Amino acid sequence: SQTIHQWPATLVQPVGSPLSLECTVEGTSNPNLYWYRQAAGRGLQLLFYSVGIGQISSEVPQNLSASRPQDRQFILSSKKLLLSDSGFYLCAWSFAAYNEQFFGPGTRLTVL
Amino acid sequence: GESVGLHLPTLSVQEGDNSIINCAYSNSASDYFIWYKQESGKGPQFIIDIRSNMDKRQGQRVTVLLNKTVKHLSLQIAATQPGDSAVYFCAETPSNDYKLSFGAGTTVTVRA
Repeated sequence: SQTIHQWPATLVQPVGSPLSLECTVEGTSNPNLYWYRQAAGRGLQLLFYSVGIGQISSEVPQNLSASRPQDRQFILSSKKLLLSDSGFYLCAWSFAAYNEQFFGPGTRLTVL
Repeated sequence: GESVGLHLPTLSVQEGDNSIINCAYSNSASDYFIWYKQESGKGPQFIIDIRSNMDKRQGQRVTVLLNKTVKHLSLQIAATQPGDSAVYFCAETPSNDYKLSFGAGTTVTVRA
């Protein structure tokens, strides 16, 4: 069976500091990978998706970036965090387009 | 613009009763629909999906109904239990698209 991991689970960072969130998937090959952000009491906003190693599509212009250095590893980064970057960050994977996405446990980021 | 939304932000239901959660969508190209359940502090969990060539699909205690004419989707939960308390999201995507569009969510609270 497939599993998806995210870490850290929670993170408190000062404004202007860098960020690195990691997501890994086990039990499948060449998954589609996604990063979402969820503000408190809101729906999910797609940030990035990837259909293969080194292939990243950005959905929202911002100070965040994503990378996929390995087939089952997806990283969300920032060089300088803003207060507005606070939120719940979710990684997800799917077998292909037009299929259900499976979500990780999320990372709660608070920028102070 | 295109959007996915939910009719009601909150729903309170007596334990043992049936729950109905509604969702409206506006993208006429939407072809695949998913319902997710999200418990506090956790990632969304897949409940059930339906493709546009169907108008009803049943799972364990859940039924999804799709009315393409009026662009309406609903999730019915039979014999609602305390463990069903969560936020429920509908999501949709056109065929062969990687991106899911999520509604804002309905918070379901089960009264004992």
